[in-house]
Amino acid sequence: SYELTQSPSVSVSPGQTASISCSGDKLGDKYICWYQQKPGQSPLLLIFQDTKRPSGIPERFSGSNSGNTATLTISGTQAMDEADYYCQTWDSSTVVFGGGTKVTVL
Amino acid sequence: EVQLVESGGGLVQPGGSLRLSCAASGLTLSSHWMHWVRQAPGKGPVWVSHINADGSSTNYADSVKGRFTISRDNAKNTLYLQMSSLRAEDTAVYYCTKRSPNWYFDPWGRGTLVTVSS
Repeated sequence: SYELTQSPSVSVSPGQTASISCSGDKLGDKYICWYQQKPGQSPLLLIFQDTKRPSGIPERFSGSNSGNTATLTISGTQAMDEADYYCQTWDSSTVVFGGGTKVTVL
Repeated sequence: EVQLVESGGGLVQPGGSLRLSCAASGLTLSSHWMHWVRQAPGKGPVWVSHINADGSSTNYADSVKGRFTISRDNAKNTLYLQMSSLRAEDTAVYYCTKRSPNWYFDPWGRGTLVTVSS
């Protein structure tokens, strides 16, 4: 079965850039979505189709996807961005989520 | 505003059954592919099941196949997940969510917690 791998944690200082990676076999051939989840809340869609932001999502969130790795970038990270982040794709009509990356804003 | 509200979770003994509901407002469930996704404590989301727009097709994760049944009541605009032969490993928050034509999940409900324990 297809797997998405994320690093467990990322630490970033306020105002700096955080990069969250998600890897999978030939992931660049698939579309990736990114979700943000804060404690006690449901996942919130941040990025879809690799690079697109839904309305209401700040421009500091951006995505890319190439080769075997997709990346979510948070530019000018704010304290409110401290959360868990999950990547998600589809493989043969099966939904696959990554294990998540906890972003800590120090 | 589109809203999904899950209910029906609770504490159940191993081997027991539970029916989860997902009431929708602001959208017509029968026009969309709807999914159940669960999240065990401290873990990432895991897909559980889907039903297509006209209800003619359903699918399940291998871990729940034969034990869970997804269904929908169009008149009540409500999605269901009937769960039986529950196991400790089914303990999780269960979310219902809508799959968009662009293959992302949005919105998500707030979830309902299912705890399987004796």
